[in-house]
Formats: sequence, C-alpha cells, structure tokens
Amino acid sequence: KAGVTQTPRYLIKTRGQQVTLSCSPISGHRSVSWYQQTPGQGLQFLFEYFSETQRNKGNFPGRFSGRQFSNSRSEMNVSTLELGDSALYLCASSADNHGSYEQYFGPGTRLTVT
Amino acid sequence: ILNVEQSPQSLHVQEGDSTNFTCSFPSSNFYALHWYRWETAKSPEALFVMTLNGDEKKKGRISATLNTKEGYSYLYIKGSQPEDSATYLCAFNYGQNFVFGPGTRLSVLP
Repeated sequence: KAGVTQTPRYLIKTRGQQVTLSCSPISGHRSVSWYQQTPGQGLQFLFEYFSETQRNKGNFPGRFSGRQFSNSRSEMNVSTLELGDSALYLCASSADNHGSYEQYFGPGTRLTVT
Repeated sequence: ILNVEQSPQSLHVQEGDSTNFTCSFPSSNFYALHWYRWETAKSPEALFVMTLNGDEKKKGRISATLNTKEGYSYLYIKGSQPEDSATYLCAFNYGQNFVFGPGTRLSVLP
C-alpha cells in the first residue's frame, strides 16, 4: 500500500501571498488531519476532515482553511501569509476519525515565508 | 487549554542501556493515547495506540504502559541501539482531536 503523500515538499513564498498544500491519504482512509510544527513548538492541530466534512478545528486564524475531496485527498490553504507561518506542515490519514485509530503521517511540506 | 507534557526533554544514553520516558496528560475526558517515533528527515511513525487503563503494549524492545486515572504513560526501550535515536512523541486524544506533547529527544551513543 502506498503511504501518505504530500506535495510540494518545499515551498518558498512571500508575505501576503497565499499557498495551497496537498495531501493524498492511504487508499481507503477517509480521515485526514493537518498539523503545523514550528521551531520550538510541538505539533499543533489545524483541522481534520472526514468524508469531505470538517470534523474538528484547532485554534488557528481563519486564514487557514482546508477541504477534502470525494477521493479523500485534502488540500490546505493559507491566505495572506505571515512570517510566522513558516513551518513544517504535516498531514496524517487514518481509516476512521475515532481517536483510537492509528494515524499515518506524510513526509510534510516545509513552507518558508520571506 | 489541554496540556500534554513529556519528560525528559532530551536524553543521551550508551548503546545497550535501557531507558524510559514519561508522558503526562489530563486524566479527564480520556479517549486514547498514541506514541510516535520521529526520526530526522522522516515522517512520524506510529508505535502504539493505548485506550484502556492498565494497557501494556510491546513491539520488539519497545514497550509502553498506561495509567488513565493518574494521567501518565511510560515508554520503555530495552537495550537501546543507535537506530533508536529519534524524538518520541505522545499524543492525547479526548474524542475530538489530538494534543501532542513536545517530545523526548533520544540519542543513543555507540
């Protein structure tokens, strides 16, 4: 089975621009979660999608949004980028959205905002 | 605000040593506790999912225990090897989403 894939792997953007990151889950997985990791911080939960619906959302501003398609692929969008948005963005997929299911992480997208 | 703590923050051990780390989490609204190993330049890898008080899980030289009443989990590594060098993360799930701890960075010296 192919693992979770994320594209692009690296991205450099300028303040004020917007960016879209993509995540393809493991085949058959319907839940996709997004996380942000910044230097000195642990993984911070952004949001979770299950069957095209946002089920949970973390404490991030509205500039961070996402969606999930019928094939379970998910995109995350950040508008009006700020320097503080520079981070590693990870997505994780699981078979279901119950917390007792294992999450499988992708390799991440490293975003640098200049 | 839910807080998950891990100790120690970092650890250096010699090859062959056994070691253990702690994850502390809220004792209320517990749903599941996950452990992950995160090697540099790789994706976090799931080690264990623990759901019941008193759970003990084992995978090779690595094992974990869970105490939901007092809100802690221990991860043990027996006979550490250099390939065990990684950051070990725990994540608390309270039925909605995951709250990750800051991780314990383990370095195993040959």
